[in-house]
Amino acid sequence: AQSVTQLDSHVSVSEGTPVLLRCNYSSSYSPSLFWYVQHPNKGLQLLLKYTSAATLVKGINGFEAEFKKSETSFHLTKPSAHMSDAAEYFCVVSVNYGGSQGNLIFGKGTKLSVKP
Amino acid sequence: GAGVSQSPRYKVAKRGQDVALRCDPISGHVSLFWYQQALGQGPEFLTYFQNEAQLDKSGLPSDRFFAERPEGSVSTLKIQRTQQEDSAVYLCASSPHERAGGASDTQYFGPGTRLTVL
Repeated sequence: AQSVTQLDSHVSVSEGTPVLLRCNYSSSYSPSLFWYVQHPNKGLQLLLKYTSAATLVKGINGFEAEFKKSETSFHLTKPSAHMSDAAEYFCVVSVNYGGSQGNLIFGKGTKLSVKP
Repeated sequence: GAGVSQSPRYKVAKRGQDVALRCDPISGHVSLFWYQQALGQGPEFLTYFQNEAQLDKSGLPSDRFFAERPEGSVSTLKIQRTQQEDSAVYLCASSPHERAGGASDTQYFGPGTRLTVL
């Protein structure tokens, strides 16, 4: 079965410092991986996705993630945090075989706080 | 263009009441998904429509949950005889293609309906 594990439930950084949100995945097949962001009272927004092309994926708002098969990781990074980045972030894998192909499996989320 | 919309945004129900939650997907999107997000958790899959056909309802937690998409656009999730454990945010998402051919498709999410059962 496919799954994702977000290693930190809460990450706190200072404005202007780097952001690292960690995610490990489990998949028997080549996975499709996503990062979504959820701001309070707003819908989930796609930050970026990996679909077996380039292993370094660039997304919106300066975020990027690197797919590392050997480590089964898909960590999200940003060089310099902004106050507006404070939100909940979800690592997601798409089921890519069987009758549920295309369903999304979400991690438990990482809440990012940004201090001024 | 317009995104996915959901109504109501907030719903308070007394235990035992029936509720109906509406989703308006992006126009022309073939696939429509419903997810349930409990407090402090990630969303979990409930059910999937390809146009008007409900092809997957494996995530529905009980037979009190029912969903429909009769004309292949707007969808309604109905919960009968609500229980306190049904309190959650219910999210709707749509995508342009059939689910099976689009494991890497982006799903576009609505803002959700927060259901509180007293």
